[in-house]
Amino acid sequence: ETGVTQTPRHLVMGMTNKKSLKCEQHLGHNAMYWYKQSAKKPLELMFVYNFKEQTENNSVPSRFSPECPNSSHLFLHLHTLQPEDSALYLCASSQDIGGPQHFGDGTRLSIL
Amino acid sequence: QKEVEQNSGPLSVPEGAIASLNCTYSDRGSQSFFWYRQYSGKSPELIMFIYSNGDKEDGRFTAQLNKASQYVSLLIRDSQPSDSATYLCAVKDQSSYKLIFGSGTRLLVRP
Repeated sequence: ETGVTQTPRHLVMGMTNKKSLKCEQHLGHNAMYWYKQSAKKPLELMFVYNFKEQTENNSVPSRFSPECPNSSHLFLHLHTLQPEDSALYLCASSQDIGGPQHFGDGTRLSIL
Repeated sequence: QKEVEQNSGPLSVPEGAIASLNCTYSDRGSQSFFWYRQYSGKSPELIMFIYSNGDKEDGRFTAQLNKASQYVSLLIRDSQPSDSATYLCAVKDQSSYKLIFGSGTRLLVRP
């Protein structure tokens, strides 16, 4: 098992669809993160969970809804997305919040 | 607005040379610094982290930190074509646990 696993790897959806991104970490880490990576822009932190409690919502629109049922799993629920939401969505985890982060392979999301 | 600045490149070096990648940051109180490598179409991969002033070496990679001048650099010795990638610098915000990422420097190692 790789350290941080994300599914699906690619997702194409219409603006009215509802879908979810999944992240699972097998590293025994306590903190998990969602990032958005758009072309030519720095990684943007979206959400942070520490011991499955949300500690950060970085002014993310409500059409993105995170869920962390336990320290190993993280979801990002998507609904009514906009074309500008097309990007690579990366999940990361760290042993302790603020420590070195390990990334999953990401989900490439395209909004039609 | 706390910032991390990197030259976007591309930085082109011949195979076997030393590649030097630089990063400056605005938050004077930052204590933790990270370098990630990202191949095209892939996710960032942690290469090194450094917390103290000076040099930290790991194989062909050396991270250098100068807190007084607010810069951190990554040296890659004996560069290989497989080192061609985008290198992301990340700095931990001193007042929180957030990592602030630069936009990355694209490195091209010519055979």
